[in-house]
Amino acid sequence: RKEVEQDPGPFNVPEGATVAFNCTYSNSASQSFFWYRQDCRKEPKLLMSVYSSGNEDGRFTAQLNRASQYISLLIRDSKLSDSATYLCVVRPNQAGTALIFGKGTTLSVSS
Amino acid sequence: DVKVTQSSRYLVKRTGEKVFLECVQDMDHENMFWYRQDPGLGLRLIYFSYDVKMKEKGDIPEGYSVSREKKERFSLILESASTNQTSMYLCASSLGGVTDTQYFGPGTRLTVL
Repeated sequence: RKEVEQDPGPFNVPEGATVAFNCTYSNSASQSFFWYRQDCRKEPKLLMSVYSSGNEDGRFTAQLNRASQYISLLIRDSKLSDSATYLCVVRPNQAGTALIFGKGTTLSVSS
Repeated sequence: DVKVTQSSRYLVKRTGEKVFLECVQDMDHENMFWYRQDPGLGLRLIYFSYDVKMKEKGDIPEGYSVSREKKERFSLILESASTNQTSMYLCASSLGGVTDTQYFGPGTRLTVL
């Protein structure tokens, strides 16, 4: 089983749509969780951390389900500028320093 | 703002050449990382370092070595470049700790002919 799995997409949605991405991770001891965004031909950048209680940042909502080892990202009212690849990222444990990246889910928002 | 810089955006080398990729961060971060990114394979960790002169192998260290003589600088070395090392190389740094957000450089697109 791969350590971090994502649906690669692409997800093609119209402006204003709500879209959800899912991610599963294999290591139940994982401690920290993140969503990164990567624009075409650019480097990945942190979008948001994911907390156990769930967290929201404007149009973006992240949720964590430790029992199911599942992370989600919800984007409401999609904008053209949301078009990018979204990477699910897991930190395996507190002692380690290397993050594990999923392969990413590609989103294309059209007018 | 954290700034991670890489020495080249684009690089073309020949098979068998020794290649140096340099990465510098300006935020006094403890940890530094080298990844390569290929279509369909995502980001794969080559090496990382959590302190000066310390290094750890990542998932795909074969054919690569690294050097960290100063805290702010982490170099990736291809001892004898091969065509299957054509890729996008991304450097990252992080402060460490539970949140451990990684900040990436702009990447070096290396082509080995």
